Amino acid sequence: DAGVTQSPTHLIKTRGQQVTLRCSPKSGHDTVSWYQQALGQGPQFIFQYYEEEERQRGNFPDRFSGHQFPNYSSELNVNALLLGDSALYLCASSLGFLGEQYFGPGTRLTVT
Amino acid sequence: GNSVTQMEGPVTLSEEAFLTINCTYTATGYPSLFWYVQYPGEGLQLLLKATKADDKGSNKGFEATYRKETTSFHLEKGSVQVSDSAVYFCALNSNTGNQFYFGTGTSLTVIP
Repeated sequence: DAGVTQSPTHLIKTRGQQVTLRCSPKSGHDTVSWYQQALGQGPQFIFQYYEEEERQRGNFPDRFSGHQFPNYSSELNVNALLLGDSALYLCASSLGFLGEQYFGPGTRLTVT
Repeated sequence: GNSVTQMEGPVTLSEEAFLTINCTYTATGYPSLFWYVQYPGEGLQLLLKATKADDKGSNKGFEATYRKETTSFHLEKGSVQVSDSAVYFCALNSNTGNQFYFGTGTSLTVIP
């Protein structure tokens, strides 16, 4: 049974560029949440998708957007990248809106 | 609002020493409490959890008790091993929106 998978593992972008990160939830899960973990900090909640809609959002600007597909996989898009967007981006999936969350290994984004 | 305050690190212990990592929280409602562990270069792994007051979560020799009167969820282990070296995160889930709030993490290094 595959757990939560994320791609790519690492990537490097330049300021001002746009990036797309991908997440496949654990088998049987239908809800995906995204978190940003800056170096030396705890993860911060970005948003959550359920039934292909954004259900909750943390304190992140509109440059951060997402999407959930009919197969429950999800994308996180960040536009106009800033140096401060450099972080580990974690995806978590759950069964249902209130189900227990399982975390993926993360995508490390470096903005230069 | 919801927040978690965690003991500052880093913590360095000798093998077989006793470990305590303090965690206190502020929450609206009745949150669930968690400890996650993160090994270098990896995502988050659930270590233990407690869903209501006075519950004790335990796993791999680690324990934490949900204390509502002191709003605490301190992590303990009686005898640490080198393999326990990692970053430990205390977290709460508000249960109303299934959004995690994490502490800043405590880095533990166990030396032989």
